[in-house]
Amino acid sequence: DTGVSQDPRHKITKRGQNVTFRCDPISEHNRLYWYRQTLGQGPEFLTYFQNEAQLEKSRLLSDRFSAERPKGSFSTLEIQRTEQGDSAMYLCASSMDRGIVYDYGYTFGSGTRLTVV
Amino acid sequence: GENVEQHPSTLSVQEGDSAVIKCTYSDSASNYFPWYKQELGKRPQLIIDIRSNVGEKKDQRIAVTLNKTAKHFSLHITETQPEDSAVYFCAARHNAGNMLTFGGGTRLMVKP
Repeated sequence: DTGVSQDPRHKITKRGQNVTFRCDPISEHNRLYWYRQTLGQGPEFLTYFQNEAQLEKSRLLSDRFSAERPKGSFSTLEIQRTEQGDSAMYLCASSMDRGIVYDYGYTFGSGTRLTVV
Repeated sequence: GENVEQHPSTLSVQEGDSAVIKCTYSDSASNYFPWYKQELGKRPQLIIDIRSNVGEKKDQRIAVTLNKTAKHFSLHITETQPEDSAVYFCAARHNAGNMLTFGGGTRLMVKP
C-alpha cells in the first residue's frame, strides 16, 4: 500500500504528557497537511507544508502544537502538555502541487486517535 | 476565512431512492469543491470533486452541481444502496494555498 501512513493508530496519554505523531505521505507528493477531527465534525485544518517549508501555521490550535517536516518527506505533529480537550482524531493528508495547474486532490491517512485521560 | 455550511446533518432514505446533500460557502474566491465519504473508523475518501469553471460533474451514480453565483454546491446520489451509508463531507478550497475547509458532515443512512 503506497498511501498515506500514520503512526500510531491510537494513543492514550495522561494529561500533561507530550505526544508526537508521525505521517508518511505518498512519496511523490510535495504537500502535506495536518487536520484534526472531533467526533461528529468535519476535519479542521491545522497546518501544511510544501516540501520542508511550513507555509501556514496560524491555524495551529495553541503554542502547545508544533509540526515539522525536516527533509520534505515524513512529518511529525507534537502536542506538549496535553489537555483533555486535545482528544480527537489527527489526520494527515498529502497532495501534489504541480505549480500552474494544481492537482487539488488530497489523500488522507487513517489518522491517529488521541485520548487524553 | 472560508466558512462551509452543510445540510442536512442526517439523511435517511430507502434503498433505490435518491439522496441530495447541500453545501454553501462564503469565500467567492474558492475554486475547488471536493466531496469525501467517511465510513465509521476509516479515513475520508474522495468520491467526486468539481472545479469552479464547471457547473456539473457526474460519475456513475454520483453527481455534483455548483452554482457560483449563489455560492452553493450539491451532491446527488441516485439509486442508493446500503453500502452508500456513511458520513459525507463537502469542502471548499481557499484561493491561497491548498487548504480545505470542511462542512460539518451529513450522516446518510440507506435502509434496505
